[in-house]
Amino acid sequence: EAGVTQSPTHLIKTRGQQATLRCSPISGHTSVYWYQQALGLGLQFLLWYDEGEERNRGNFPPRFSGRQFPNYSSELNVNALELEDSALYLCASSRELTNEKLFFGSGTQLSVL
Amino acid sequence: AQRVTQPEKLLSVFKGAPVELKCNYSYSGSPELFWYVQYSRQRLQLLLRHISRESIKGFTADLNKGETSFHLKKPFAQEEDSAMYYCALSDGSSNTGKLIFGQGTTLQVKP
Repeated sequence: EAGVTQSPTHLIKTRGQQATLRCSPISGHTSVYWYQQALGLGLQFLLWYDEGEERNRGNFPPRFSGRQFPNYSSELNVNALELEDSALYLCASSRELTNEKLFFGSGTQLSVL
Repeated sequence: AQRVTQPEKLLSVFKGAPVELKCNYSYSGSPELFWYVQYSRQRLQLLLRHISRESIKGFTADLNKGETSFHLKKPFAQEEDSAMYYCALSDGSSNTGKLIFGQGTTLQVKP
């Protein structure tokens, strides 16, 4: 089966700009999760979408937002970029309403200059 | 506070030696514990879950609620076990979709 795909692989932005990251889950998976992996901080939970709805969000400011489309793909938007937003953003998917086994993508490396 | 602690950033052992990757957690509810692994140039993937009580690639992990630990063990390390290992925790009583990850431990198995 095709895995979780994320695009772009790398993204370079300047401070104050907006970034849009995309994720396509494994076919048949309805839940999509976003994690931030900043240097030295480990993986931090950002957002969880299921059936088009935001189910939970982590301790991040509102400028981190996203959505899930009818085909279960998802976008993560980061507005008013700050230098500390530079990180690897990982998307994961799972079958409906369970995080018992997450399948991760390869990530988008966001660099904010 | 909910927290997962992996005290070792790097664990280096020789091939054939036993391995124990430590994981301690702080959680007031009923946790579910996981080990995820990332091999070089590969994606992060689930290795095992405590509720499955299974052995994957020779690795086992037992949840010790008294010591709030979920250490990952393998009796004889192989070179192909070299990878980054993450311990993770989720709420076992309600589905929040959130996994709390430790900082990770790099396992280096030397020939």
